[in-house]
This record gives sequence, structure tokens and C-alpha cells, in this order.
Amino acid sequence: DVKVTQSSRYLVKRTGEKVFLECVQDMDHENMFWYRQDPGLGLRLIYFSYDVKMKEKGDIPEGYSVSREKKERFSLILESASTNQTSMYLCASSWGQTETEAFFGQGTRLTVV
Amino acid sequence: QKEVEQNSGPLSVPEGAIASLNCTYSDRVSQSFFWYRQYSGKSPELIMSIYSNGDKEDGRFTAQLNKASQYVSLLIRDSQPSDSATYLCAVTGNTDKLIFGTGTRLQVFP
Repeated sequence: DVKVTQSSRYLVKRTGEKVFLECVQDMDHENMFWYRQDPGLGLRLIYFSYDVKMKEKGDIPEGYSVSREKKERFSLILESASTNQTSMYLCASSWGQTETEAFFGQGTRLTVV
Repeated sequence: QKEVEQNSGPLSVPEGAIASLNCTYSDRVSQSFFWYRQYSGKSPELIMSIYSNGDKEDGRFTAQLNKASQYVSLLIRDSQPSDSATYLCAVTGNTDKLIFGTGTRLQVFP
């Protein structure tokens, strides 16, 4: 079974803190994704990585950065957390072909106070 | 215009009926199409994928794709209360970037 693991299920951080969300997949997938999910807004893509050290901005990259130094690990970084970044964050991974399905981690509920 | 559009619902259907969920997309080069189901408090899980025009059936689920109309749908036959969830349509283009719609909430009542 494909496993996508996010480092934390719940996080509470203070405004202005630098926050790291980690995601690890065990299926040698080429692609990894970070989404945030808010009520009524669906899943919005923050960043997409299609290979080690390769990334592409999604729809809402402002205030976020990413790092992919190893194929299995994709990190989302909030440079200076703000209250409007309080959300559910979902990581996903998929094979490097267009006929592919994405597998999701369990999600991280981040609250910025 | 949003890249992937869905009616937010809720769509309410009685148990045993057919539920019809619809999705439109704006990018004509879109190549792969997916339906995910998300229960409240859980992560999305894939239920159907479709890559070419026409119908694809899997058990009680049928996905329909019409690339000329930029339209993809999901039919759920013999709907059960356990099908009550949010259904997310997702699309990739000529890259593997996966874009989701906002989802349609389905309620199946006994």
C-alpha cells in the first residue's frame, strides 16, 4: 500500500514563527503536492514538485516556500506564519506520468494564534 | 474563470436513487480526470479515473467524459447513506499538476 505520512496531525504556532510541515512518501513517486483546504474553497494547490529540487508554483504560493532535497520528502515552509494561514494542509504524491492517481497524507491541521 | 468548477451542493438523493455529480474544466489540453471522495475529517481518496471520451464503469460508479464539451461527470447508482460525502473533481493538463474543484456535497437519506 502507498503510504504518505505527514509529520504532525495538529500544530499550533504563533504569529511570525517559521513553520515546517513535512511529508514523506514510500512509493518512489516522482510528483509531490502541497494543498490547503478551507471550507467552501476546496483544495487549493500551493506548490507542486515533479522531481528532486524541481518545483512549480500552484494557485496560492504567497507566504509559502518548499524544499525537496530527497525524492521521498517534500517540505512546506511558512516563512512567517500569519493567522490567515490557519488551515488544513494536505500532502499528496503520484507517479511521474499523466495517467496517474494521487495519494494523500492524513493532513495537518495548523492553527496560527 | 476557475479551472475546475463544481456545484457545491448539497445534492440530496433518496437511498437507492442515482446521484449525478458534474464538473466542468477550462483548460482544453486537460488529459486526465479524477473523482475523489472525502468524508468529513478525512483525506480525499480516489474512486474513479478516466482518460478518454466515453463512459467508464466500476461497480456502482460510472465516470463520463466529454472533452469537446469540457465536461466530466460521476454517476452513483443505488446510492447508499454511506455514500454521503464530498466528491471532488480533479484534472491534470500536459503536466502532472493536479487541480481540484471545490467539491460537491452529497447527502443520501434513508
